[in-house]
Amino acid sequence: EAGVAQSPRYKIIEKRQSVAFWCNPISGHATLYWYQQILGQGPKLLIQFQNNGVVDDSQLPKDRFSAERLKGVDSTLKIQPAKLEDSAVYLCASSQGGEAYEQYFGPGTRLTVT
Amino acid sequence: AQSVTQLDSQVPVFEEAPVELRCNYSSSVSVYLFWYVQYPNQGLQLLLKYLSGSTLVESINGFEAEFNKSQTSFHLRKPSVHISDTAEYFCAVSADDYKLSFGAGTTVTVRA
Repeated sequence: EAGVAQSPRYKIIEKRQSVAFWCNPISGHATLYWYQQILGQGPKLLIQFQNNGVVDDSQLPKDRFSAERLKGVDSTLKIQPAKLEDSAVYLCASSQGGEAYEQYFGPGTRLTVT
Repeated sequence: AQSVTQLDSQVPVFEEAPVELRCNYSSSVSVYLFWYVQYPNQGLQLLLKYLSGSTLVESINGFEAEFNKSQTSFHLRKPSVHISDTAEYFCAVSADDYKLSFGAGTTVTVRA
């Protein structure tokens, strides 16, 4: 089966610019997650979707970050405007939910803000 | 809320030597525990997990981890490493909310 797809793989922008990341989860996976992984740290959950509804966005900096999951499939994560401290790898993951527990991760998007 | 501490940030090891990566967690509720591996320029892959039952869990490539509730630990071990085991390893914990809390990671570098 195809894995979690993410694009772009790399992005370099200047501070105060906007950027968007796209994720296509594994087919049939109801739950989708966005994580931020800063260099030298473990991934930190930004937002969790169940189908197209938000389950948890308590760690999402809502003044500059937004995310949506239309039709319960693909998702986009947007940063507007970007700050230097947003430089990180943004990981998308999906899971079947229920008793499965296993999350499948995409390759990530490496964002550099200059 | 749950949290994870990985006690070693870097572990250099010679090929065919054993390795142990230490992981401690804190939680006020029952947890599920995971080890993920991240090879260079790749995404995270699940290595093994403890959900219930036997406290010793194994992966297909020779890693094992033991859940120790009294010591709140889930250490990862491999008796003989290969060059291909060079990667970053993350311990993670989850409760009934399907959300993962990750440790900071341990970089394993295997040398010939």
